[in-house]
Amino acid sequence: GAVVSQHPSRVICKSGTSVKIECRSLDFQATTMFWYRQFPKQSLMLMATSNEGSKATYEQGVEKDKFLINHASLTLSTLTVTSAHPEDSSFYICSAPDRNVAYEQYFGPGTRLTVT
Amino acid sequence: GQNIDQPTEMTATEGAIVQINCTYQTSGFNGLFWYQQHAGEAPTFLSYNVLDGLEEKGRFSSFLSRSKGYSYLLLKELQMKDSASYLCAVRDQTGGFKTIFGAGTRLFVKA
Repeated sequence: GAVVSQHPSRVICKSGTSVKIECRSLDFQATTMFWYRQFPKQSLMLMATSNEGSKATYEQGVEKDKFLINHASLTLSTLTVTSAHPEDSSFYICSAPDRNVAYEQYFGPGTRLTVT
Repeated sequence: GQNIDQPTEMTATEGAIVQINCTYQTSGFNGLFWYQQHAGEAPTFLSYNVLDGLEEKGRFSSFLSRSKGYSYLLLKELQMKDSASYLCAVRDQTGGFKTIFGAGTRLFVKA
């Protein structure tokens, strides 16, 4: 099946700094990617839809100025958590649907962010 | 909006059969997914239903009734490694295709 990678897998940063997370589709092109956040023992919460060549679409309650999304190419989307705070500590997962496979989306392995 | 409900936790015995139910409400239904997720890992795809009926894939089967807004995941011949969270997710085509996840059901398989 298709492969989606994320980098880094784990990151620890200090409060007030910014962190960039990369999501890549390795063997297919993704005009759309999704960013999710998952707190411990909770389900995935959709944060935003990343669109190649245009602005991301954010879900209600997600601050677009805090979670900057850039979808610069058909294989790369980035999420930047700006001015991180301890409450931003979470598991961030991206996914990408393969437009050649009508229904399946492929998840990256996730990034564990810890803000100290 | 969307609403997806599934039980929080279930416990079953190794070798048995377990059924995990999911009910949903959505305005632009475009398919229902089941994913398995082990702690600290990304979800892995189990099944997809867009038409009513049962889809069988090895030890796993998934059922959908669109008129009732209901699905279930059936796991047969349970193994210890099946202990995981099972996420029901609905794809909604309203305002662009998005997949919304339920809270997940944590399944504990005991010997």
